[in-house]
Amino acid sequence: AQSVTQPDIHITVSEGASLELRCNYSYGATPYLFWYVQSPGQGLQLLLKYFSGDTLVQGIKGFEAEFKRSQSSFNLRKPSVHWSDAAEYFCAVGLNTGFQKLVFGTGTRLLVSP
Amino acid sequence: DAGVIQSPRHEVTEMGQEVTLRCKPISGHDYLFWYRQTMMRGLELLIYFNNNVPIDDSGMPEDRFSAKMPNASFSTLKIQPSEPRDSAVYFCASSLMGSPGNTIYFGEGSWLTVV
Repeated sequence: AQSVTQPDIHITVSEGASLELRCNYSYGATPYLFWYVQSPGQGLQLLLKYFSGDTLVQGIKGFEAEFKRSQSSFNLRKPSVHWSDAAEYFCAVGLNTGFQKLVFGTGTRLLVSP
Repeated sequence: DAGVIQSPRHEVTEMGQEVTLRCKPISGHDYLFWYRQTMMRGLELLIYFNNNVPIDDSGMPEDRFSAKMPNASFSTLKIQPSEPRDSAVYFCASSLMGSPGNTIYFGEGSWLTVV
């Protein structure tokens, strides 16, 4: 069965430090991969997505993610974290050819310390 | 442009009462999704529609839950009767098949508490 694993429930990063959030997926076919961010009390906002081509994907707010097929991973990175990045981050894999169904990971809550 | 609009944003109701959540998708989108978010189960897809037709309702937890989409600009998710375990955040989302990357846009959610 298709699944997404985000092994870190919480991560604390100092403001200005670099960030990497881990995501591993299990899916038989070529995956369509997404990262969403959810601020407290808000809905989910798409940060970036991967369908094919360049395995390094750029997103909004200075985020990027790298697809590594050999490791079944799609880790999210940011070189310098801002206090406003504190939120919950969800990795998701899209199923079916039209990506209508998203299977989400359990999320990683990012805390940013001064 | 307006995003996905959900109402009510917050609802507290007593067990046994009927709850109706409403959603207005982004104009022109042909897919509409209902998700539920809980601490225990995370984000779960309940049901999705394509051109107002339910395509996959395998995520609907039980017969107490029903969803309709009478037209392209409106959908409801109804729980009758409601139970405390239905307390969750319910998200509506929409997308346009064929749009760049088929991005799914989420509303801000309806926060339901059943006491």
